[in-house]
Amino acid sequence: SQQGEEDPQALSIQEGENATMNCSYKTSINNLQWYRQNSGRGLVHLILIRSNEREKHSGRLRVTLDTSKKSSSLLITASRAADTASYFCATDGGFGNEKLTFGTGTRLTIIP
Amino acid sequence: KAGVTQTPRYLIKTRGQQVTLSCSPISGHRSVSWYQQTPGQGLQFLFEYFSETQRNKGNFPGRFSGRQFSNSRSEMNVSTLELGDSALYLCASSLWGGTNYGYTFGSGTRLTVV
Repeated sequence: SQQGEEDPQALSIQEGENATMNCSYKTSINNLQWYRQNSGRGLVHLILIRSNEREKHSGRLRVTLDTSKKSSSLLITASRAADTASYFCATDGGFGNEKLTFGTGTRLTIIP
Repeated sequence: KAGVTQTPRYLIKTRGQQVTLSCSPISGHRSVSWYQQTPGQGLQFLFEYFSETQRNKGNFPGRFSGRQFSNSRSEMNVSTLELGDSALYLCASSLWGGTNYGYTFGSGTRLTVV
């Protein structure tokens, strides 16, 4: 079963706008990660945020984590056509557990 | 450096057959994980190997098995294939473990069972 639920399931925005997607999870975690997947291909690691961090930036990406609400958000600023992809959050099973549990994903479409 | 290489890219098998998928991790990476991705169930963890030992296992039937060789290359095997095994199988590697540093994924093997 999937621990993470992502919201929205699909999002379409104009190029240049910001995109925000949210992830909720159920159990305690050490770290939370975000991945991108272009259609039918492998996943690309975007960013990892540790449970003791509240916010992290990487280029045009900003991730927040609220462990009290068991939720995270991914913000992509100044979107580009190349950002069109599915985005997944992934949580670990705690220290020493290498199993990643993925969310259901958000399908992002950037309209040129 | 070369990424994670999965072979073959596409595979068509008949129900009841068995299949072996291969994964070559990034050079120096010792942790290799396998995931199954289907439209209905999404991404699900199969197992993870580190230095030839299975460290973690997902909730899949015993028909799904794997192994890791001394050079960190990994294979997964599915016996007695069922139609529901049709999926994209993804391999991911990490130096020590991806939950602390992130995984590098291969492009996947798309298995179709007919």
